[in-house]
Amino acid sequence: QQQVKQSPQSLIVQKGGISIINCAYENTAFDYFPWYQQFPGKGPALLIAIRPDVSEKKEGRFTISFNKSAKQFSLHIMDSQPGDSATYFCAAIGDTGRRALTFGSGTRLQVQP
Amino acid sequence: DVKVTQSSRYLVKRTGEKVFLECVQDMDHENMFWYRQDPGLGLRLIYFSYDVKMKEKGDIPEGYSVSREKKERFSLILESASTNQTSMYLCASRENRGRVSNQPQHFGDGTRLSIL
Repeated sequence: QQQVKQSPQSLIVQKGGISIINCAYENTAFDYFPWYQQFPGKGPALLIAIRPDVSEKKEGRFTISFNKSAKQFSLHIMDSQPGDSATYFCAAIGDTGRRALTFGSGTRLQVQP
Repeated sequence: DVKVTQSSRYLVKRTGEKVFLECVQDMDHENMFWYRQDPGLGLRLIYFSYDVKMKEKGDIPEGYSVSREKKERFSLILESASTNQTSMYLCASRENRGRVSNQPQHFGDGTRLSIL
């Protein structure tokens, strides 16, 4: 019930391409879905987040798509840049019960110049 | 900017030792968290604390304990270190305001712990 499943484990994209990372959850009590970005040697930092009352949220080149019925959400990085090379974690949290993030397993993104 | 500081970037200890990992945040946040990060497993929650002297078990608390005597400091303790506790440990803090679940967690840069 607490799991968040993330794929792929690693991703290589050419500069200018679209990077897509997918996540799925089971716990219907989750109602907030952030994505965290982690550069080597640094802790994760919040990138973008969405609530399930909307199907899409866009911030610059980063977009979250959310499918509530399928219990899936994804991160799209448009016009991917070498500076986007990092590890990305999806996460989920609910407003009741344990109010701590449950993270996916992470995707290591490499954008080749 | 929120700053979460973990006392050591790298730490090497021996099996059976009692190990202390320290974390300090400078934003007066009520909530603090300890995670461990392992390749292919993501971040797994060890313990968290909603406020001073409060603590709750996360998903993998076995072999660990925590201490929160002051609001800004959250310590993770490995009671008797074992080789399977070799990992990256990440501390985070979060403000307890409004819809708490929507507040971002601010992470330190981690302590890479090796148990020999």
